[in-house]
Amino acid sequence: AAGVIQSPRHLIKEKRETATLKCYPIPRHDTVYWYQQGPGQDPQFLISFYEKMQSDKGSIPDRFSAQQFSDYHSELNMSSLELGDSALYFCASSYGQKTNYGYTFGSGTRLTVV
Amino acid sequence: AQKVTQAQTEISVVEKEDVTLDCVYETRDTTYYLFWYKQPPSGELVFLIRRNSFDEQNEISGRYSWNFQKSTSSFNFTITASQVVDSAVYFCALSEAGGGANNLFFGTGTRLTVIP
Repeated sequence: AAGVIQSPRHLIKEKRETATLKCYPIPRHDTVYWYQQGPGQDPQFLISFYEKMQSDKGSIPDRFSAQQFSDYHSELNMSSLELGDSALYFCASSYGQKTNYGYTFGSGTRLTVV
Repeated sequence: AQKVTQAQTEISVVEKEDVTLDCVYETRDTTYYLFWYKQPPSGELVFLIRRNSFDEQNEISGRYSWNFQKSTSSFNFTITASQVVDSAVYFCALSEAGGGANNLFFGTGTRLTVIP
């Protein structure tokens, strides 16, 4: 079965650079969630989209922005990168806004800021 | 406010031993969902189980079993006859359906090491 696809798998950027992470949800899933997991930390919710509209917002820095496109894929844009942004970024998708069914997570993008 | 506590930071067991990972949660909602995820060294988050607040039946799936007790707000996870491949970080998570939030709150995880 198709899963959530994230690209790239690994990304190395320098401080103050910009990064764009992409997420392709499971076909027919209309909701996308982004999570950030720092080293040794639990995943923290950043933001979610339902039907191309932002549906919920967590601890996402102002330097980050995201959107969901007409084909339901989502992109997380991160500007003015800081060393503390080094983390594993997960995307998950679901059908509908509620997590009743549970999420399916992608394999994550490991961002390293040097 | 919601909270998930996994008091065990790290556990080591010898292969074939049974091990229980504890999870205690807090929520004001009467309708909520609990999850367990496995994060192997490769990093991905693997869904293991979902349980809603109205279903207190224990569940068994192969060597895995889950014990949900609302009276103690606990959702513990037991691995029977552990194997080296079980070595991973395990996260317990909570979702509150009634409050309208559509995100997961994770515990801090328990790192399980199974020694051959």
